[in-house]
Amino acid sequence: GNSVTQMEGPVTLSEEAFLTINCTYTATGYPSLFWYVQYPGEGLQLLLKATKADDKGSNKGFEATYRKETTSFHLEKGSVQVSDSAVYFCALVQGAQKLVFGQGTRLTINP
Amino acid sequence: EPEVTQTPSHQVTQMGQEVILRCVPISNHLYFYWYRQILGQKVEFLVSFYNNEISEKSEIFDDQFSVERPDGSNFTLKIRSTKLEDSAMYFCASSELSGTYNEQFFGPGTRLTVL
Repeated sequence: GNSVTQMEGPVTLSEEAFLTINCTYTATGYPSLFWYVQYPGEGLQLLLKATKADDKGSNKGFEATYRKETTSFHLEKGSVQVSDSAVYFCALVQGAQKLVFGQGTRLTINP
Repeated sequence: EPEVTQTPSHQVTQMGQEVILRCVPISNHLYFYWYRQILGQKVEFLVSFYNNEISEKSEIFDDQFSVERPDGSNFTLKIRSTKLEDSAMYFCASSELSGTYNEQFFGPGTRLTVL
């Protein structure tokens, strides 16, 4: 079945550091890919998405490129801020309505 | 900005008791979902609901679980006889449409603790 694997956390960085959170997926066909973010005390929010190979999703300085050849959708940001501290979830959906999530990566940014 | 709300934020119950988790989806949305996350594990799909019927459910969603839209605004998840392994964060979500590209909006979750 479909599955998503993302890098284990927690991840701790200093402000203005470069961020990469790895995500790979297993699926038949061509799923749509998402990154969701959960800030403390809040629900999961869609951060960005990509619906076909080579698409780049971007939002709030974050980017991720749908790489079909490596079945990956790594999240990157060039210069993180303290306000980016949250849990980040990679996910896919294909056909049916259900999202399939990775295990989440807790990110802490220190000033 | 419209949002999905869930109550309570934290529910503690004894094993074997029934619990009802409540959600108010975004008002013009038609599709509703429940997910759960056991501590340290992945967020898992439980069930989707449309037009007053379950449209898809996972193998986790056994006879102990049920969902209902009792009125025009609430969407509930009932666990009939809770087990220790039901302890988890439960997320409700809703979407305007179904389909591959459609965004699901999530509530903040209810943390269920079964003692």
